[in-house]
Amino acid sequence: EDKVVQSPLSLVVHEGDTVTLNCSYEVTNFRSLLWYKQEKKAPTFLFMLTSSGIEKKSGRLSSILDKKELFSILNITATQTGDSAIYLCAVGASGGSYIPTFGRGTSLIVHP
Amino acid sequence: GAGVSQSPRYKVAKRGQDVALRCDPISGHVSLFWYQQALGQGPEFLTYFQNEAQLDKSGLPSDRFFAERPEGSVSTLKIQRTQQEDSAVYLCASSLARRSGNTIYFGEGSWLTVV
Repeated sequence: EDKVVQSPLSLVVHEGDTVTLNCSYEVTNFRSLLWYKQEKKAPTFLFMLTSSGIEKKSGRLSSILDKKELFSILNITATQTGDSAIYLCAVGASGGSYIPTFGRGTSLIVHP
Repeated sequence: GAGVSQSPRYKVAKRGQDVALRCDPISGHVSLFWYQQALGQGPEFLTYFQNEAQLDKSGLPSDRFFAERPEGSVSTLKIQRTQQEDSAVYLCASSLARRSGNTIYFGEGSWLTVV
C-alpha cells in the first residue's frame, strides 16, 4: 500500500522565519510528487516533482525531490501571515490509473 | 467552467438521511476523483472515473457510498443512510490526462455534517 508521511504535523513561526516541510513516501512505481496549499477552501497546486535534485521555485517557495532517499522538502523563506495554511504532499504511481495518495498535511501558522 | 465546481458547499443531514453531492469538473477533463477529508487528516481516496467509466472504487468505505458520472462530465456522490462518521469534507478533483501524472485540480469541497 502506498504511504505518504509528512512532518512536522504542525508548525508555528513568526513572520520572516524560514520553514522546511518534509514529505517521505513509499510507493510502487513512483511517477510524481505533488505539493498543495490548503486554506479554508480547495487545495491549490504548488509544485509537481518527477526528477531528483531539480529544484522547483515559485517566489518564496521552493521544493526538491530525492528519489533515492524517497523524500521531498518544501521550503518557504521570509514567511508571511498569508502563508498560514495546511500544506499537503501527494504521490502518484505509474502504471494503471494515476491516483495520488495524500499525506496528513503540515499545518503552518505564521504569526505577525 | 473555469474551475471544479461542487455543490452544495455545506450540508447538514440528519442521521439516516440520504445525501447527494455534485461535482462539475473542468471542461474537457477526462479524469475525475472523489476524496474524503476528515478534520485534521489528509484527503483519502474514494473513487476515480475516466470519462464515464468508474475505474477504481476501492476507497468507498461501505456500500452506502455510490458514485456515478453517466455522461463523462458531471459526477454525483451519493451517501445513503448517513451516519455521524460520514461527517467530512468531500473533495472532487479533475485532471486532463488519462494515465500520466498531470496536475489534478480540486473543487472547494462539500462540507457534510451528520447530526
